[in-house]
Amino acid sequence: DQQVKQNSPSLSVQEGRISILNCDYTNSMFDYFLWYKKYPAEGPTFLISISSIKDKNEDGRFTVFLNKSAKHLSLHIVPSQPGDSAVYFCAAVIQGAQKLVFGQGTRLTINP
Amino acid sequence: ETGVTQTPRHLVMGMTNKKSLKCEQHLGHNAMYWYKQSAKKPLELMFVYNFKEQTENNSVPSRFSPECPNSSHLFLHLHTLQPEDSALYLCASSQLLATDNEQFFGPGTRLTVL
Repeated sequence: DQQVKQNSPSLSVQEGRISILNCDYTNSMFDYFLWYKKYPAEGPTFLISISSIKDKNEDGRFTVFLNKSAKHLSLHIVPSQPGDSAVYFCAAVIQGAQKLVFGQGTRLTINP
Repeated sequence: ETGVTQTPRHLVMGMTNKKSLKCEQHLGHNAMYWYKQSAKKPLELMFVYNFKEQTENNSVPSRFSPECPNSSHLFLHLHTLQPEDSALYLCASSQLLATDNEQFFGPGTRLTVL
């Protein structure tokens, strides 16, 4: 049973436009969420996170929104740049538990 | 560069071979992890080590044998693997009790079992 789901395997966006990546979770015990970005031949690198006590966290071009009632989070990238082309993973964790539960990833392609 | 290195980056082995994957972290962290990423599947946590003691084994078959001699080094010993074990194996580290729960990943070892 997959507790964290990214239902879009791929997304293609025009450079300069907004990219929106979605993630759903089923375990209501999760209280911290992270987004990782992965380039080919590299490991995932941390991008941005959000605690369940917030509904929004912003860092430059990246904003994560959390809707606890819907058990849904999204990552917004604006404006999208060619260097943003990568696979994006969302992950969820119960604070202090160490076990990150990952989604399958969404491959984002930014077209010039 | 995330401060976590893994060797080798690629490994091809037969089902009767014995090989080891190595991970080293230069971040002063006290927790280390092994993950497996198979094609079209999410990253799956395999093992967790805190202060070089194993605290989690996520029902991993015994043909995978981890070793953590100190807080900076982590090994995954492989023996009599199956073709379905072919995957990307990622090592990660973190600081226990950090509020951000962030784990830092190495580049991974791409393993192919023939």
